[in-house]
Amino acid sequence: NAGVTQTPKFRVLKTGQSMTLLCAQDMNHEYMYWYRQDPGMGLRLIHYSVGEGTTAKGEVPDGYNVSRLKKQNFLLGLESAAPSQTSVYFCASSSPMYGVGANVLTFGAGSRLTVL
Amino acid sequence: DQQVKQNSPSLSVQEGRISILNCDYTNSMFDYFLWYKKYPAEGPTFLISISSIKDKNEDGRFTVFLNKSAKHLSLHIVPSQPGDSAVYFCAASKGSSNTGKLIFGQGTTLQVKP
Repeated sequence: NAGVTQTPKFRVLKTGQSMTLLCAQDMNHEYMYWYRQDPGMGLRLIHYSVGEGTTAKGEVPDGYNVSRLKKQNFLLGLESAAPSQTSVYFCASSSPMYGVGANVLTFGAGSRLTVL
Repeated sequence: DQQVKQNSPSLSVQEGRISILNCDYTNSMFDYFLWYKKYPAEGPTFLISISSIKDKNEDGRFTVFLNKSAKHLSLHIVPSQPGDSAVYFCAASKGSSNTGKLIFGQGTTLQVKP
């Protein structure tokens, strides 16, 4: 059981280039999330999705776009990369608890992106 | 505005001793709290959680304490082991939300010395 798989694991971009990070989960989870981790900032939510065909903004959505065309996949796009987007990106997924328990997210291993 | 704060960036303890990691939150609407552990080059993994209707939850060597009036929670690890050396993130959520979002703190790096 692979869980949450992120590709690529590493990428170096030049300022202004575009790229897409792919997240795939095999747990049939409804919810999917993209976080970024920066030193001293913890994990900050970029965008999330509560189901196929839906997306919503998180805490730091500017400069990113997302799509959830299939339930198992959640794509994060950078249209014009900037050095401020140098970070480690984590995808996560979960099933809804509807207020009856803690929502436990399962994370991927991360994608390290450097923008020069 | 940081709704979940971990004010200690790092903590170093001796093997066998107790590790206490602290977390504060500002939003009184949070009703579930979680701790995640992260090793280098890996994704965070779930460790333990607590509901706001409880003040303590225990799982083996790990215990989480919640003080709602102070908006403070702590993770106790007893006894600490070298394999516990990792970054620990505190997270909070609103159970009534239909999004499942977690708000994370900045993380605390724990080093357990042999």
